[in-house]
Amino acid sequence: QKEVEQNSGPLSVPEGAIASLNCTYSDRVSQSFFWYRQYSGKSPELIMSIYSNGDKEDGRFTAQLNKASQYVSLLIRDSQPSDSATYLCAATSPGRNAGGTSYGKLTFGQGTILTVHP
Amino acid sequence: KAGVTQTPRYLIKTRGQQVTLSCSPISGHRSVSWYQQTPGQGLQFLFEYFSETQRNKGNFPGRFSGRQFSNSRSEMNVSTLELGDSALYLCASSFYASRDSYNSPLHFGNGTRLTVT
Repeated sequence: QKEVEQNSGPLSVPEGAIASLNCTYSDRVSQSFFWYRQYSGKSPELIMSIYSNGDKEDGRFTAQLNKASQYVSLLIRDSQPSDSATYLCAATSPGRNAGGTSYGKLTFGQGTILTVHP
Repeated sequence: KAGVTQTPRYLIKTRGQQVTLSCSPISGHRSVSWYQQTPGQGLQFLFEYFSETQRNKGNFPGRFSGRQFSNSRSEMNVSTLELGDSALYLCASSFYASRDSYNSPLHFGNGTRLTVT
């Protein structure tokens, strides 16, 4: 099982609709979760961070986290053609190196391609 | 505030050569991470440095190495290049208040597109 899995997509929604992107993670001790957007040929851009159970809203974006179900989602309301991109889910789980220093192991999902058509 | 800067943007090398990629993090960020992105494998973690020390390393062969300088700038080196090393190499920086913190998000640079022929 992959550590971070996203719904395979591609996902196509009409302009103005709600796009729902889903992600599950396997490591129960994961502590922080991120959604990144990546346009074709560009680097990933942070959209949302979420650290505790529940919903977090930022403009048209809402991230939802359910640690009991090991599930995180991203809702995009009033989708626009400019939202067409690959969306990457990422989770951080703690680790400790041989020297005793803590680090965060950030693992990305494979991404979901979203297309918003006019 | 300036973002993460990576140089060069594009590189073409031949098999067997070596390459050095450079990354300047956001001012004040002491952590730098490197990722390799390919269509088939997605984003794969290479290594992370904090205040000149490697904190974590991914599952890449020893041909991949990195370092971080006292001004937080970082370089990664790939020796004896193989065709499979062709990828987008992404550097990301984070603000961590201390050596043991790690939950902050990453901020990515524009990447270096490496092509090995």
